[in-house]
Formats: sequence, structure tokens, C-alpha cells
Amino acid sequence: DIRMTQSPSSLSASVGDRVTITCQASQDINNFLNWYQQKPGQAPKILIYDVSNLETGVPSRFSGSGSGTDFTFTITSLQPEDIANYYCQQYHRLPLTFGGGTKVEIK
Amino acid sequence: QVQLVQSGAEVKKPGAAVKLYCKTSGYTFSGYYVHWVRQAPGQGLEWMGMINPNGGSADYAQKFQGRVTMARDTSTTTVYMELTSLKSEDTAVYYCTRAAGTRTGCFQHWGQGTLVTVSS
Repeated sequence: DIRMTQSPSSLSASVGDRVTITCQASQDINNFLNWYQQKPGQAPKILIYDVSNLETGVPSRFSGSGSGTDFTFTITSLQPEDIANYYCQQYHRLPLTFGGGTKVEIK
Repeated sequence: QVQLVQSGAEVKKPGAAVKLYCKTSGYTFSGYYVHWVRQAPGQGLEWMGMINPNGGSADYAQKFQGRVTMARDTSTTTVYMELTSLKSEDTAVYYCTRAAGTRTGCFQHWGQGTLVTVSS
């Protein structure tokens, strides 16, 4: 199985701050990498697919980058409504696997 | 619009089985894979498997092989997931999620989730 290592597991930042989350795959995943946001009590929502493509309707303050095994998710200016858990996910190979998640809080 | 509506919460005893359903609408049912993802309380997301509604073939995570069955009913555009030999560790919210067309591993649309509680 492809292991997805996500860090940090939690972070606290101020409104307007730049927030960065990293995700490392245990092998090359050919850029089949997605990012999801999950707010409390809600189903996850896809934000970014294939490393850097913004899903329709997702604000442009969210972005993704990386290649091979190392990927980064960025919120350029943290907003109160961005409080959530964020997960990376690979779909290069079955079984599909997720990172452990990052809880983003407001300082 | 695309909708996935899941069945209601379940309480089961250890050793029992549970069958969940996911009623889909708003798109061509046979054109998109449907996956099941679960989330234990306070934990992360775990992929269980997927079904291709066009033909009904399914792939399961090794962890659930032998305990899980995914099926579909094209007449009602509904996908089912049955999990047998339940253990307390199976207590979780179970989500069905529709893939994004050719990106069969992208979870684009989600159901609201079904809480399954396994307790004696």
C-alpha cells in the first residue's frame, strides 16, 4: 500500500496568515494527488485534484504544488471559514489512501 | 444536481451485518464509479472499496476482503454496501462518494454519511 504522510497534524494560525501543509507519498504517485477539506459534522469536500487543479467554485486562496512523492497545500490568506481538517489522498494505485489529516485552527 | 442520499443510522451487535444504501440522482448512473469511505470517531478517512455501476464490478481494500460486498441496482440508481462480522472497531461514519468521471479516484460528490454503531 502507498503510505501518505501528512504534516503537521495540527496547526494554529492567525486570520490572514499563509498556511502550508505537506504530504509525502511512500512512492511516486504520478501526480494523482488530491486535497480535501472536512468541516466538523460534514462530509469531506474536494478542493484540489491532480496536485494543483482547483475544483470549480473553490476560492483561489487555496493552491497545491509538488510532484513525484512530495506535495504541498497552501492557503495564502487564512479565513475564519477555513477552520477544518484537511486531507491529502492518492489515487495512483489501489488501495486508495489518505494522509492522516491536518487540523487547522485560528490563533 | 448530483445527489447521493444515504440510509439512516444503524446500531448493530458484534458479529452482525449491516447493509447501507446510497441513492444517487442527477447524473448518468452508469458513467461514474462510486466509492465507500469510512471515518471512525475522531479519526481520519479510510477507503473501503469501489464499484463500477456499469457492469457492477467492485474492488475492495484488502483489509475488508471477505467481509464487504458492494452492489448496485440500476433500476433505482442505488448503490449498496454490506459489511459482515461487525466488530466494535467498525463503529464509524460511512460515506458513499461519486468519482469525477475519468478521474475515477477523485471523490467529487459525497453523501451525507451514515453512522454505524457496533455495541453489545
